[in-house]
Amino acid sequence: DAKTTQPPSMDCAEGRAANLPCNHSTISGNEYVYWYRQIHSQGPQYIIHGLKNNETNEMASLIITEDRKSSTLILPHATLRDTAVYYCIVRKGSARQLTFGSGTQLTVLP
Amino acid sequence: DTEVTQTPKHLVMGMTNKKSLKCEQHMGHRAMYWYKQKAKKPPELMFVYSYEKLSINESVPSRFSPECPNSSLLNLHLHALQPEDSALYLCASSQELGRGETQYFGPGTRLLVL
Repeated sequence: DAKTTQPPSMDCAEGRAANLPCNHSTISGNEYVYWYRQIHSQGPQYIIHGLKNNETNEMASLIITEDRKSSTLILPHATLRDTAVYYCIVRKGSARQLTFGSGTQLTVLP
Repeated sequence: DTEVTQTPKHLVMGMTNKKSLKCEQHMGHRAMYWYKQKAKKPPELMFVYSYEKLSINESVPSRFSPECPNSSLLNLHLHALQPEDSALYLCASSQELGRGETQYFGPGTRLLVL
């Protein structure tokens, strides 16, 4: 699976959009971009995933660049409960496992 | 319902004890996973079961012994652990193995080995 690079930490004001970047310059054509988050001392929670097109669900939006070498997870109106470590993971559709990187610690400030 | 449950939530054990961690899901998923997470580190895969058969063992020491008695239940038997085995143990499940399915995680068992 391709490696990912994320900033170690970010802050965001409550109510504002949180934009979390991820670089995956060695991604191959059959690899998906997944985002999970882990609130302190809880299990990771699936957020969203995509292959080429932008995706949106009730939690977030995923924007993937046209060359697929980077992506951005957008939380449109961040709340204090969104404070967590966010993991960007690239994996093949046939992958049997998730390989977590070090993630981004997002802190939403009041 | 996308719930994976794990018991106990917390466990303290001595190095000579034998204990078991339990994981349960009722989503009809046929793949189940054990991960280990040390403090301030990302989760690391330990074992994967597919259709109740062990599919992946990430070179985990034999003092950790997984068991999948049926499609809904996954156990991790612990024996003669070391203090460095203290960690958060996470269970996950997915519909199938090897199709990039979304994995759903339980809340974890926080283990302290004294």
